[in-house]
Amino acid sequence: GAGVSQSPSNKVTEKGKDVELRCDPISGHTALYWYRQSLGQGLEFLIYFQGNSAPDKSGLPSDRFSAERTGGSVSTLTIQRTQQEDSAVYLCASSPGGRADNYNEQFFGPGTRLTVL
Amino acid sequence: KQEVTQIPAALSVPEGENLVLNCSFTDSAIYNLQWFRQDPGKGLTSLLLIQSSQREQTSGRLNASLDKSSGRSTLYIAASQPGDSATYLCAVNADFNKFYFGSGTKLNVKP
Repeated sequence: GAGVSQSPSNKVTEKGKDVELRCDPISGHTALYWYRQSLGQGLEFLIYFQGNSAPDKSGLPSDRFSAERTGGSVSTLTIQRTQQEDSAVYLCASSPGGRADNYNEQFFGPGTRLTVL
Repeated sequence: KQEVTQIPAALSVPEGENLVLNCSFTDSAIYNLQWFRQDPGKGLTSLLLIQSSQREQTSGRLNASLDKSSGRSTLYIAASQPGDSATYLCAVNADFNKFYFGSGTKLNVKP
């Protein structure tokens, strides 16, 4: 079946502009995660959505970052007034949730490479 | 806070060798441990998932073990091939929705 998809695959923007990154999780997956991977760094947790529960936003680095998940499916990560230090690969993952044996197994999308000039 | 360490950071082996990648974590209270591979410029591909109640998982030439009490997991790759060249990451699910990733082991399998 279809995996996690993300768009755009690459985004180049100017400092100070706003950007929106999109994630389409695997159909039926209830959990969705956003991570950031900076060059040579490990994965940094940003935000977690589970069903209709309030999201865990504890990893968002500043109030310029926000995310929403509409209808329990597609998610959008928005970065306002982008800064050069926001340049990174933004990865989205989803998990089945529920009673599946692999309820907490993460499946990743290909990522969006963001470059802020 | 959970700390995840992967050793070695890089490894280069000739084709056909069996090899072991190591992952250690500081807090044994985990839900699961997952191994991924990441190819350059790509996302992460799930290789093996070991729940906290399990000791090992196998998929093809890959075998992953988990020893919670000592805070260790190993990924064993049998008969390595050039196509196995990638960065291998382990991730520990410590809190319900928090996953802590190691920095990875970059593997190069030489033909």
